[in-house]
Amino acid sequence: QSALTQPPSASGSPGHSVTISCTGTTSDIGDYNYVSWYQHHPGQAPKLLIFEVSKRPSGVPDRFSGSKSGNTASLTVSGLQAEDEADYYCSSYAGINNPFLFGTGTKVTVL
Amino acid sequence: EVQLVQSGAEVKQPGESLKISCKASGYIFINNWIAWVRQMPGKGLEWMGIIYPADSETRYSPSFQGQVTISVDKSINTAYLHWSSLKASDSAVYYCARRPAGYYYYMDVWGKGTTVTVSS
Repeated sequence: QSALTQPPSASGSPGHSVTISCTGTTSDIGDYNYVSWYQHHPGQAPKLLIFEVSKRPSGVPDRFSGSKSGNTASLTVSGLQAEDEADYYCSSYAGINNPFLFGTGTKVTVL
Repeated sequence: EVQLVQSGAEVKQPGESLKISCKASGYIFINNWIAWVRQMPGKGLEWMGIIYPADSETRYSPSFQGQVTISVDKSINTAYLHWSSLKASDSAVYYCARRPAGYYYYMDVWGKGTTVTVSS
């Protein structure tokens, strides 16, 4: 099964918003509400930002929000800050043999 | 503090075996799954497999089935990823991560990764 499709890059100015899309199929995003998003600063451990489409773990700022429509999930980062510059990955349940189908990743640049 | 501490970087030759580790602390180890995720140089994340420490139930991604072995030692709260014969294409960073037990399909705690370099 192919990786979920994300744009390679996205950017925004400090204080502005950026939205990252994550496109799958009816066999993954379209069929389950098990979409999660991870922030990854190179050289560090990835960090869970969103789970089950739109839920935030404790400690994650509400500047990070998730949504889903059909086969596409989205992550919005509002009020961009310099420390938001990182790689972002989506993930979706895609069946028992592929419970963590990752996206291709998006590099966010804060201008 | 809940954390996963991974073993250090490894440099190996093709054909050698390797076992890297992931030690958990700060939570009840046996009640949560441990997953392994690969990141090849310049590439994205790939799920490799997962193990439930309580009974060692293990599931592999079809892409990694037969290529690696995931195991666990409950007595020392540690999970392992093992190769019997490394290839150059196994060069990557490998992360372990915790998946909560139950119908939860996300990974909420991650290790910092182990860099594996396979080169002659």
